[in-house]
Amino acid sequence: NAGVTQTPKFRVLKTGQSMTLLCAQDMNHEYMYWYRQDPGMGLRLIHYSVGEGTTAKGEVPDGYNVSRLKKQNFLLGLESAAPSQTSVYFCASSYQGVGNQPQHFGDGTRLSIL
Amino acid sequence: AQSVTQPDIHITVSEGASLELRCNYSYGATPYLFWYVQSPGQGLQLLLKYFSGDTLVQGIKGFEAEFKRSQSSFNLRKPSVHWSDAAEYFCAVGASGGSYIPTFGRGTSLIVHP
Repeated sequence: NAGVTQTPKFRVLKTGQSMTLLCAQDMNHEYMYWYRQDPGMGLRLIHYSVGEGTTAKGEVPDGYNVSRLKKQNFLLGLESAAPSQTSVYFCASSYQGVGNQPQHFGDGTRLSIL
Repeated sequence: AQSVTQPDIHITVSEGASLELRCNYSYGATPYLFWYVQSPGQGLQLLLKYFSGDTLVQGIKGFEAEFKRSQSSFNLRKPSVHWSDAAEYFCAVGASGGSYIPTFGRGTSLIVHP
């Protein structure tokens, strides 16, 4: 009964380094999302996917790339990390339904860029 | 474009007291509305949602919310707060149809005094 699993849970990077955050869901959901959460800013959508092989930009996509090669996985990449990308990143998933609201969230990845 | 405002950054209540968290939205047509709760160190959990029909919506954990079109509001209520309700609460608004993704408010932090 895993739901949405994010890997890693914590990471510290130096400016300019790259990394990939992994999100895996075992509920056969069509939709997957990546959000970032910053103090006082709520959640802002980075990218999302409405199905395997598809991705789309959200509100704050710059500096990030994503891939959805398998339905259960949604990867978020930082090619050249910047201090402004220090944040808590959440992955979420949902079935393809009315409202398209994220239903299940992972516990987050806390990322610090030095 | 859709937007949502949560006017209160922090709300403090005593255990056993009633609670109302405010949410105002901006959207031209009938919106989809959601409330989420986030406990410290965890992802968001969907409390309730409004799509259409009865304007008083019941959710999990004893919460309810009322959609008032004339006031563009979707306030969250609970008649008697428990210490375990202390958390961050997020209102979100989504557009009807298509693959529109909800926009989140900045959140209201609920503090519960014993």
